[in-house]
Amino acid sequence: DQQVKQNSPSLSVQEGRISILNCDYTNSMFDYFLWYKKYPAEGPTFLISISSIKDKNEDGRFTVFLNKSAKHLSLHIVPSQPGDSAVYFCAASAAYGGSNYKLTFGKGTLLTVNP
Amino acid sequence: DTAVSQTPKYLVTQMGNDKSIKCEQNLGHDTMYWYKQDSKKFLKIMFSYNNKELIINETVPNRFSPKSPDKAHLNLHINSLELGDSAVYFCASSLLVSGANVLTFGAGSRLTVL
Repeated sequence: DQQVKQNSPSLSVQEGRISILNCDYTNSMFDYFLWYKKYPAEGPTFLISISSIKDKNEDGRFTVFLNKSAKHLSLHIVPSQPGDSAVYFCAASAAYGGSNYKLTFGKGTLLTVNP
Repeated sequence: DTAVSQTPKYLVTQMGNDKSIKCEQNLGHDTMYWYKQDSKKFLKIMFSYNNKELIINETVPNRFSPKSPDKAHLNLHINSLELGDSAVYFCASSLLVSGANVLTFGAGSRLTVL
């Protein structure tokens, strides 16, 4: 039962253009959404998050949009750079037994930015 | 100065053996996790400990036994290894950042069971 879905396994864009990575979720109890970036042979690293009460959060070249009614979020990277080439994981957080939280991940999208 | 370090990075072993993966974090976080990334690339939570206390156990076979001697360490011991245990195991610790539970991951330990 995939509660967090990233339907595109890969995406290829040209340097300088916009990259848009998409994510869908099914659980209405998720209260935060996060994006992680992963290079080969390394652990995922936190990129940006958004609260379920917001519809947009921006940090430099990275912007996350949340459409709560559609249970959909997207990560925009503009302009894309070759160093952005990595696997991007969408993750959703829900409270678990009081003040503990559980993070559920999607399958990831491999972004390739071509010079 | 690694924040979350796990050892070994690679582990190749025979079916039926017992092995351990160690994890240490120097971030002062109270909560630590083990995640498994299998061949289908899903990152699935296995266990979570908060200040040495088990708080999440995601229907993992009891051949897997986490141990947290203190809040900076969370080790994973696996008994009677099976082929399906082959995966990358990630340790993580977390901190609430503006309400979001942000995990910091280790580099992963790739386990291959032959």
